Amino acid sequence: DMKVTQMPRYLIKRMGENVLLECGQDMSHETMYWYRQDPGLGLQLIYISYDVDSNSEGDIPKGYRVSRKKREHFSLILDSAKTNQTSVYFCASSWQYEQYFGPGTRLTVL
Amino acid sequence: QQQVRQSPQSLTVWEGETAILNCSYEDSTFNYFPWYQQFPGEGPALLISISSVSDKKEDGRFTIFFNKREKKLSLHITDSQPGDSATYFCAARGASGSWQLIFGSGTQLTVMP
Repeated sequence: DMKVTQMPRYLIKRMGENVLLECGQDMSHETMYWYRQDPGLGLQLIYISYDVDSNSEGDIPKGYRVSRKKREHFSLILDSAKTNQTSVYFCASSWQYEQYFGPGTRLTVL
Repeated sequence: QQQVRQSPQSLTVWEGETAILNCSYEDSTFNYFPWYQQFPGEGPALLISISSVSDKKEDGRFTIFFNKREKKLSLHITDSQPGDSATYFCAARGASGSWQLIFGSGTQLTVMP
């Protein structure tokens, strides 16, 4: 059963704290993504990873960084979180054109 | 600059009616158009997709109509059911070789029983 997992599902942080969002997939997909979703804006691409240590900026990378040391794991890091980074974050992996999404992490930065 | 636009932002239909969700795009190099369905609290899931070489794609009650000349497409949901209530995203992929999808802002569909 193809699956993308995300941890944690809910997170509350204070402004200036560091945040680590984790994503895993069991499909051995090479390509993985991090998106954020805000009301009325759809899904915005933060970073795309083509394989281990092969990452590229998406449309809104400022304030974020990523790490991919194993094909099945892709992490999103917020160094010194800001209140405008409050959002729902989705990880996805893809096989050719089709993207498989995780259940999301709802992050609140106070 | 929004490259993929969706309308309406929200849509309410009665059970059994046909819901029509619209999508338009700007970049003529886009060649693959998936529609994703998202229920509250879940991630989007691929519903149906079409490539630019086709003008229609059907899967059960879901049909995509594609007009390449006008850069428009629409998703028709026939015999709408309350379980179809969700947010629907139109997306597009360019021909540049990237796997990146450009997503529209979504249409929130409510099907009343």
